Amino acid sequence: GNSVTQMEGPVTLSEEAFLTINCTYTATGYPSLFWYVQYPGEGLQLLLKATKADDKGSNKGFEATYRKETTSFHLEKGSVQVSDSAVYFCALSDAYTNAGKSTFGDGTTLTVKP
Amino acid sequence: DGGITQSPKYLFRKEGQNVTLSCEQNLNHDAMYWYRQDPGQGLRLIYYSQIVNDFQKGDIAEGYSVSREKKESFPLTVTSAQKNPTAFYLCASSPPGASYTSPLHFGNGTRLTVT
Repeated sequence: GNSVTQMEGPVTLSEEAFLTINCTYTATGYPSLFWYVQYPGEGLQLLLKATKADDKGSNKGFEATYRKETTSFHLEKGSVQVSDSAVYFCALSDAYTNAGKSTFGDGTTLTVKP
Repeated sequence: DGGITQSPKYLFRKEGQNVTLSCEQNLNHDAMYWYRQDPGQGLRLIYYSQIVNDFQKGDIAEGYSVSREKKESFPLTVTSAQKNPTAFYLCASSPPGASYTSPLHFGNGTRLTVT
């Protein structure tokens, strides 16, 4: 079956530091890959996505590249802000499953200190 | 603005009582889903519905029930048979004809505490 493995947290960084959150996956076929962000007390919001190999998703300074050869989709940001403090989820869905049966990682909690 | 509304935000119940969580959407989405989130864990699918009057069990359906009488509404009942009901519950939807390339849209969740 499909699975998503995320870098264990929590992650604590100082403002303006470089961020990497690792995500690797196992899936049949060619899945679409997503990063969602969850702010305290809220639901998940789509941060970025990539639907085929070598695609780069980007939004709000965050980037992730779909690497088929390493089955990875690592999230990066060059300079984090306090407002980026949240829980980040990597997820996938594939052509063989309904989109709602996306597979999620366990989430990585990011805290950015001023 | 269109979106998914979950109510209430916080819910407290005594053990042995059934409780119903509300989920309403005005996005005109066909498919709706219920997920459970526990601390330090990913999301687990409880039930999903792709059209009105039809729904399927997800990975952890035991102790839960749903209905889909209207396109806009997908309430979740947590029954007394659910052994560990305390959790954060998220409702989501996806647009018509959504393929595996489409992301999910989420509500803001209901935090249920059973004592």
